[in-house]
Amino acid sequence: DTAVSQTPKYLVTQMGNDKSIKCEQNLGHDTMYWYKQDSKKFLKIMFSYNNKELIINETVPNRFSPKSPDKAHLNLHINSLELGDSAVYFCASSHWGYSGGRNNEQFFGPGTRLTVL
Amino acid sequence: GQQLNQSPQSMFIQEGEDVSMNCTSSSIFNTWLWYKQEPGEGPVLLIALYKAGELTSNGRLTAQFGITRKDSFLNISASIPSDVGIYFCAGQLGTYKYIFGTGTRLKVLA
Repeated sequence: DTAVSQTPKYLVTQMGNDKSIKCEQNLGHDTMYWYKQDSKKFLKIMFSYNNKELIINETVPNRFSPKSPDKAHLNLHINSLELGDSAVYFCASSHWGYSGGRNNEQFFGPGTRLTVL
Repeated sequence: GQQLNQSPQSMFIQEGEDVSMNCTSSSIFNTWLWYKQEPGEGPVLLIALYKAGELTSNGRLTAQFGITRKDSFLNISASIPSDVGIYFCAGQLGTYKYIFGTGTRLKVLA
């Protein structure tokens, strides 16, 4: 009965490879997010999807391509991995709500630790 | 990218002490969220605040939404060893975007 789940938990790969991370939520939310957490633990939003549509792309390199097949899933595909892509990637979800609404609580998955060698 | 100023950056306290941390910004937010992250885990939502001046408690945790809507505070009373972790504030900017604080690393000495 996990709310937001991600796979894999750990991903170790060589530079130049292509890899995907999957995210699923069973909270009935219609908005999903990808965040990157660097070694200093700074959390930065990468993408936001609402009802399968891309809403926010925070100037992320186009090697990163999110895909949302339905409201419950948001996957992240990364092409030509670079050393600087090593980080923990978190998926999150929330209800869409007007700014300040009571449904704006955002819930996070357990994270995927990506290591690029 | 944008980040909220969160302080202190880290704290070492004795078990039983009270803890205070805060987040400030030059932007106005309509929602403030407080999270705790433990090693190897994702951030877990502790408290959500929706209205300027709102004071909300969750057990030993109390958070307040600043009157100016540019800041928020989190207090932990009578800390225990399992309070250790990184605490993050997050402010909602627009409908779909949350900006996170730089985190407060809390260590509790038994």
